[in-house]
Amino acid sequence: DAGVIQSPRHEVTEMGQEVTLRCKPISGHDYLFWYRQTMMRGLELLIYFNNNVPIDDSGMPEDRFSAKMPNASFSTLKIQPSEPRDSAVYFCASSLNRYGYTFGSGTRLTVV
Amino acid sequence: KNEVEQSPQNLTAQEGEFITINCSYSVGISALHWLQQHPGGGIVSLFMLSSGKKKHGRLIATINIQEKHSSLHITASHPRDSAVYICALNNAGNMLTFGGGTRLMVKP
Repeated sequence: DAGVIQSPRHEVTEMGQEVTLRCKPISGHDYLFWYRQTMMRGLELLIYFNNNVPIDDSGMPEDRFSAKMPNASFSTLKIQPSEPRDSAVYFCASSLNRYGYTFGSGTRLTVV
Repeated sequence: KNEVEQSPQNLTAQEGEFITINCSYSVGISALHWLQQHPGGGIVSLFMLSSGKKKHGRLIATINIQEKHSSLHITASHPRDSAVYICALNNAGNMLTFGGGTRLMVKP
């Protein structure tokens, strides 16, 4: 298995633009998580899915952020419109049942 | 007070030294994870513990549930061990709560 695959690895965009981050979890994993990492706040959980259903999105900063999981092999995190304070590394992770997290390589987002 | 506290925040060691990183927490957990993040940014899960001790190569992780404390040990440290080590808790709802990380630098 290639692990959790995220794309793009790096994204630079202008303030106000829409940004879409993508994640392919490990096949067979039933949980998918989106995290954000910044120097100031460390790693934060944004949202997680169980069997493609969003379970807890209380970590999503505001309405500009949305996440979907249309099927077991794909999830997106969208920011619209983007702002400079959204600059961070966004990680996707998946797990089977409740344990055994595997993280993707992350997407480094810079909003200028 | 944070639910997860790691110490030290920064650690510099000479190659070959025995290293200990500590994690204390204040909530009930179902499991504790040790993660490694290299300067390139990728996060690797090293251990998941719910009791006792686990060993993988030069890495050893222990947990004391009663004392709400876990340690990560690195024996015969090497410069390639330089990374940020993060303690994370599995609490209710399968969410991870992260410690602030310990930045380790091993000098040759």
